[in-house]
Amino acid sequence: GAGVSQSPSNKVTEKGKDVELRCDPISGHTALYWYRQRLGQGLEFLIYFQGNSAPDKSGLPSDRFSAERTGESVSTLTIQRTQQEDSAVYLCASSSYRGQQYFGPGTRLTVT
Amino acid sequence: DAKTTQPTSMDCAEGRAANLPCNHSTISGNEYVYWYRQIHSQGPQYIIHGLKNNETNEMASLIITEDRKSSTLILPHATLRDTAVYYCIVRVEYGNKLVFGAGTILRVKS
Repeated sequence: GAGVSQSPSNKVTEKGKDVELRCDPISGHTALYWYRQRLGQGLEFLIYFQGNSAPDKSGLPSDRFSAERTGESVSTLTIQRTQQEDSAVYLCASSSYRGQQYFGPGTRLTVT
Repeated sequence: DAKTTQPTSMDCAEGRAANLPCNHSTISGNEYVYWYRQIHSQGPQYIIHGLKNNETNEMASLIITEDRKSSTLILPHATLRDTAVYYCIVRVEYGNKLVFGAGTILRVKS
């Protein structure tokens, strides 16, 4: 079956512009996660959605970052007024309620 | 979640067993040991997890010491495709976020 997909695979944007990153989870997975990985570093948790519960936003680095998810489907991570330090690979993962996390290939964001 | 300590890097000859250690001396009774790996330019991949008994699946074996303060991931016959960063993570089973450390860079050499 299809895995987690993310789009675009690469995004180059100018400093100050807004960007939207998309994640399509595995069908039936109730949980969805966003992580960020800067070059040469480990993954940083950003936000977690579980069903209809309030999302865990504890990892969002600033109010320029936000994410939405409708039901158990697609999620969008939005970064407003991008800064150069936002350059990273943004990874999405999904899981069933008590299952393992499956990761997508990521979106490489470059802010120039 | 408890903190883990892993060596920065390791080398392994192709076809030999790769043994990756992890220390987690502050692990709590309800926390599991999880292993993920990340091959270059890909998202992390789940390998295995366990509580206190040794576990084996098609990818690897996980050996957890009796006091649960350390564990070893074993890749029985490493191939070049196993070259990756391996992350040892301690958390409650099926908890929400994963907290990644620096991991161990495993280089499998021919």
